[in-house]
Formats: sequence, structure tokens, C-alpha cells
Amino acid sequence: QQQVKQSPQSLIVQKGGISIINCAYENTAFDYFPWYQQFPGKGPALLIAIRPDVSEKKEGRFTISFNKSAKQFSLHIMDSQPGDSATYFCAALSGAGSYQLTFGKGTKLSVIP
Amino acid sequence: NAGVTQTPKFRVLKTGQSMTLLCAQDMNHEYMYWYRQDPGMGLRLIHYSVGEGTTAKGEVPDGYNVSRLKKQNFLLGLESAAPSQTSVYFCATGLAGGTTQYFGPGTRLTVL
Repeated sequence: QQQVKQSPQSLIVQKGGISIINCAYENTAFDYFPWYQQFPGKGPALLIAIRPDVSEKKEGRFTISFNKSAKQFSLHIMDSQPGDSATYFCAALSGAGSYQLTFGKGTKLSVIP
Repeated sequence: NAGVTQTPKFRVLKTGQSMTLLCAQDMNHEYMYWYRQDPGMGLRLIHYSVGEGTTAKGEVPDGYNVSRLKKQNFLLGLESAAPSQTSVYFCATGLAGGTTQYFGPGTRLTVL
């Protein structure tokens, strides 16, 4: 059973536009929600993360929006650049003794000039 | 600092052969993880360790074994490789609590 559903699978955005990737989860024990960025041939790297006690977190052009009641969170990339072209993974962690991140299946973002 | 390194970077095996993937870290992290990444499947946890001498099963442990004899090393073994184990394998290390994880560059394994 997939516990973190991510959409869309792929996304094409024009340079300067806003990229939006959505994730939904089922397990209410999740209490940490990171986003990872992966460039081709590289390992994933932590981009930004949020805990459910806040509804939004912003770091530069990257923002996480969190809706606890809907069990959804999303990544917004403002002013998208070709260098943002990568695969993005959302993930979730339960603080109740689990050390495992549950990942979404990923979104391949292409930012075209 | 090298961070997280993985050896080898590429490997081709025949069905039934065995091999060991090595993950080494110089970040002094307690937690280490092995994931596999397949197209359209995201990252799936194979095994993990919360400290030297400890290991635990993740989501897809069948066909794999691990050992953490030293804090800085985490080994992933395939005793009898199968074509279904063709994948890209990532090692990661993590801070206490399993939040931030730092990934290695990956090993691309093909089983014929």
C-alpha cells in the first residue's frame, strides 16, 4: 500500500513560471515531511522540509504548503529556472519510533527556456 | 570530507552470482540506509541500521543481507542475484531520528 501519493509524474514548465508538485498521505502518525531533489546520475539531496505545526515554509524560491486536515502538502517553485530541472520526491516520516522515510514515486520536472 | 561514498559505481552480474556493495561515510552519523530506485517506483528502503552492530529490515528486504560491523561502513550483500534486482542502489546516512538523510552517488547494478 502506497502511503505517500505524489502527482504529477512529470511536469513541463516555462522559465519564470511556477512549478507545483502535490503529495497526499494516509498515515496520521507522519510528522516530518521533506522534499528531495535529484539530478540525473546523482543521489537525492534534501531541498526543504516541514513539520505539521506550520502551514507554510519558504526557502528562497522554494515553498512547502501543508494542509493537515486534508493530509496534503505541496512544493511550489517560484520563478522556475532550467537549472531546477530534476526529479523531485516528497517523503514522510513517523516520529513514533520509526526511522524510515516513506517516499513518493517522484515528479520529473523540466523547465524549458 | 568525502561524505557518503559507494563502491562500485557500476556492476554487471549474471543470475546466481553474489556481490557486496560497500557504503562508507565520514560524517559520523549513527543511522545508515540502503535504498533501491527503480523507474516510476521512487525510493524503496531495503535495510537500515541505527548504530554499529545493528540492522533492521525495510520495505523490500528479500534477497538482500546487510552488515554494520563498523560505524562508518554499511555493506549490502546479494547472495544469489536475480534479474529483478537490476536497479540503482543508494546508500544514505542520517541524523538521529531519521530526519535529514544524506545520499551517496549510487551504484547501478544490472543482473543478466
